[in-house]
Amino acid sequence: EAGVAQSPRYKIIEKRQSVAFWCNPISGHATLYWYQQILGQGPKLLIQFQNNGVVDDSQLPKDRFSAERLKGVDSTLKIQPAKLEDSAVYLCASSLEFPSGIAKNIQYFGAGTRLSVL
Amino acid sequence: AQSVAQPEDQVNVAEGNPLTVKCTYSVSGNPYLFWYVQYPNRGLQFLLKYITGDNLVKGSYGFEAEFNKSQTSFHLKKPSALVSDSALYFCAVRDINTGGFKTIFGAGTRLFVKA
Repeated sequence: EAGVAQSPRYKIIEKRQSVAFWCNPISGHATLYWYQQILGQGPKLLIQFQNNGVVDDSQLPKDRFSAERLKGVDSTLKIQPAKLEDSAVYLCASSLEFPSGIAKNIQYFGAGTRLSVL
Repeated sequence: AQSVAQPEDQVNVAEGNPLTVKCTYSVSGNPYLFWYVQYPNRGLQFLLKYITGDNLVKGSYGFEAEFNKSQTSFHLKKPSALVSDSALYFCAVRDINTGGFKTIFGAGTRLFVKA
């Protein structure tokens, strides 16, 4: 079974530039998550999709961050314009069931995209 | 609001000795609890979870964790550490009653196992 795929692995941009990250979840996984992991901290949820609908985006800085999951499969996360404090690893994860289900709620993570904003 | 704390930034242990990585949580309802491990330049990998039932849960790579409701703790343990266990460990919690859909991760504990 293929894992969660993310690209690119690394990205270096200057502040005020735009950047986009791509994620392809595990086949059949209905729930997709984007996390921001700043060095020395745990992952912080930015946005969570159930199929192609948003179920939680309370911590997404909507003035500069946007995300979409067209057709309920792969997803893109965009930052426009980037700030220095956006330097972090952006992790994508997927899970088989909607979180409220009785089942596993185990998240499977991609390797992440390391963003450096100069 | 739900929260999770990992009081130790780093844990050092000699190979072959038992290890414990501590985690405490705060939720207003019943928790789902998880441990994930992160190796360098890789995403998080699921280790084990507590949903309901037996307070002692067993997971991957010989790890186990004990849910203690009175102490609101979910410490990760292994009877005999391996050098290959050296990694970053994250505890996570979700309040299944009032926490909505969000899983909250701790700041992580770096485990060093010395040969």
